[in-house]
Amino acid sequence: EAQVTQNPRYLITVTGKKLTVTCSQNMNHEYMSWYRQDPGLGLRQIYYSMNVEVTDKGDVPEGYKVSRKEKRNFPLILESPSPNQTSLYFCASSWREDTEAFFGQGTRLTVV
Amino acid sequence: QKEVEQNSGPLSVPEGAIASLNCTYSDRVSQSFFWYRQYSGKSPELIMSIYSNGDKEDGRFTAQLNKASQYVSLLIRDSQPSDSATYLCAVNEGNTGGFKTIFGAGTRLFVKA
Repeated sequence: EAQVTQNPRYLITVTGKKLTVTCSQNMNHEYMSWYRQDPGLGLRQIYYSMNVEVTDKGDVPEGYKVSRKEKRNFPLILESPSPNQTSLYFCASSWREDTEAFFGQGTRLTVV
Repeated sequence: QKEVEQNSGPLSVPEGAIASLNCTYSDRVSQSFFWYRQYSGKSPELIMSIYSNGDKEDGRFTAQLNKASQYVSLLIRDSQPSDSATYLCAVNEGNTGGFKTIFGAGTRLFVKA
């Protein structure tokens, strides 16, 4: 089954404790993105990747890191999480930037 | 700051009516346009993509794009209660804009049975 898989689905952590949210797709897609979704603000792109080893900042990259060492994986890293990073996070992939995006199930992160 | 604007709603229509959802964008270089539907607690899923001016129809859904007016809309004919969801407009700027994708905040639609 074609899918984008994120883990974990739910995470509660404390301020400053490094965490990684994993994202994997099995569709051989070139373009992958991370978004955060907050009430009233919609989806905001954090980082995107055009291909392996090619990543770039979206609109809200501060406090996040990503890597794209393999085509299928695009982990999101929070080196020192803060409460303002409490949000619902989505990973998405698509053939190219101008084609349909397939979204993962979402990760609800709470930083206390 | 490049923006994609949508009326947050809620938009309420009776079952069987036409629902009209609108979206404006600020960047003239935008090249690809998408409508996603998101049910509460779920991931967004694609309804329609449109790339050139005019109308594009798929079943009960019609997307309309007017690049001169920087406007894209989604019409839902014969609305059903199962269409009740948040509809997200998204724009990609392509190679002239750094390949970013920008989403609007979404319009909540309620279809009353």
